[in-house]
Amino acid sequence: GAVVSQHPSWVICKSGTSVKIECRSLDFQATTMFWYRQFPKQSLMLMATSNEGSKATYEQGVEKDKFLINHASLTLSTLTVTSAHPEDSSFYICSAPRQGSSYEQYFGPGTRLTVT
Amino acid sequence: AQSVTQPDIHITVSEGASLELRCNYSYGATPYLFWYVQSPGQGLQLLLKYFSGDTLVQGIKGFEAEFKRSQSSFNLRKPSVHWSDAAEYFCAVGASYNNNDMRFGAGTRLTVKP
Repeated sequence: GAVVSQHPSWVICKSGTSVKIECRSLDFQATTMFWYRQFPKQSLMLMATSNEGSKATYEQGVEKDKFLINHASLTLSTLTVTSAHPEDSSFYICSAPRQGSSYEQYFGPGTRLTVT
Repeated sequence: AQSVTQPDIHITVSEGASLELRCNYSYGATPYLFWYVQSPGQGLQLLLKYFSGDTLVQGIKGFEAEFKRSQSSFNLRKPSVHWSDAAEYFCAVGASYNNNDMRFGAGTRLTVKP
């Protein structure tokens, strides 16, 4: 089946620094990728839609200057959390729909971010 | 906008017992419904989905779900649970017109007793 990877799987950073999270589709091309945030014991909340070759589309309430998204190629999207604060600590998950199967999304394993 | 409710935060069942996880959705049109399973350290895996047609859908790992429009429900079932089924289960609903407008429930954590 289709595989989506994320790197790193977990990261600890100091408050005020920036952290980049990578999302890769390993065996298929993805013109669109999605970034979610998951709080403990809560649902996945869609943050933004990453579009290859164009700007990302952010959900209401998500600060685009804080969560920078770059879809550099058909297999890579990155999420950079800028000037991280402890409240940004969360589990970040990406997903990508496979071509021809737009409603079936393949999810990455997630990245645990802890800001100290 | 659509929404999903999973009433049970945590369920414990004995191995070999039957399982039903509840999911209720709110959406004005015909929804696209999904069940995903999330194991620690792994990504969400699609168990099954409903788009149209037969309201009883079969999925992987012996799971099935039934779409009941009158009850706005899409409950997940398995006749005999295995210890390896212990995980977090998410119900999700998508709007038929927008690929990225998917909403997830809060999840139900399944514990399997030996």
